[in-house]
Amino acid sequence: GENVEQHPSTLSVQEGDSAVIKCTYSDSASNYFPWYKQELGKRPQLIIDIRSNVGEKKDQRIAVTLNKTAKHFSLHITETQPEDSAVYFCAATSSSFNKFYFGSGTKLNVKP
Amino acid sequence: EAQVTQNPRYLITVTGKKLTVTCSQNMNHEYMSWYRQDPGLGLRQIYYSMNVEVTDKGDVPEGYKVSRKEKRNFPLILESPSPNQTSLYFCASSPDRGLGEQYFGPGTRLTVT
Repeated sequence: GENVEQHPSTLSVQEGDSAVIKCTYSDSASNYFPWYKQELGKRPQLIIDIRSNVGEKKDQRIAVTLNKTAKHFSLHITETQPEDSAVYFCAATSSSFNKFYFGSGTKLNVKP
Repeated sequence: EAQVTQNPRYLITVTGKKLTVTCSQNMNHEYMSWYRQDPGLGLRQIYYSMNVEVTDKGDVPEGYKVSRKEKRNFPLILESPSPNQTSLYFCASSPDRGLGEQYFGPGTRLTVT
């Protein structure tokens, strides 16, 4: 099955700096890649996603890039704010969009 | 209010005592899924359902059962819980298979002693 690896496991940045979280996947048939944010004690929530026919997608301060050849995708957060502090999970899913494989998570700490 | 609900939210039980965690959504979503979350392992999919009476295994189905008799409900059944099933469980639903946002429930913290 699919294997999704996520790095780093923890990331600490100063408010206003950028943060980058990277994920790799193993199954070249995967074609949908969502990112979820989970605040402490809360449920995961989708923040951005990308399909394999797109190389980059942006939503305000958040962007995701996808390199299908290298089988990796990244989350970019610019101008970080303390409220960005959370655990972020990447995921990959098969062409039928039914089975999901999540990365192990990145704990982002934005220092004021 | 559109939501996914889970019950109970917290449960402490003993090895071997059958239990059911309920999940219900009021958004008429066809796709529903169960995940477990463990430190350092992220979210791992247990079972998913594409529609009523259509269920399939995720990545870690051993020791779990599910059923989908109605569109809104997707209970998770542990026939004989063991300590390695101690975890945080999330139910999720989505309108279009798994494409697009999955709406997660609040989570069920299960401890098996």
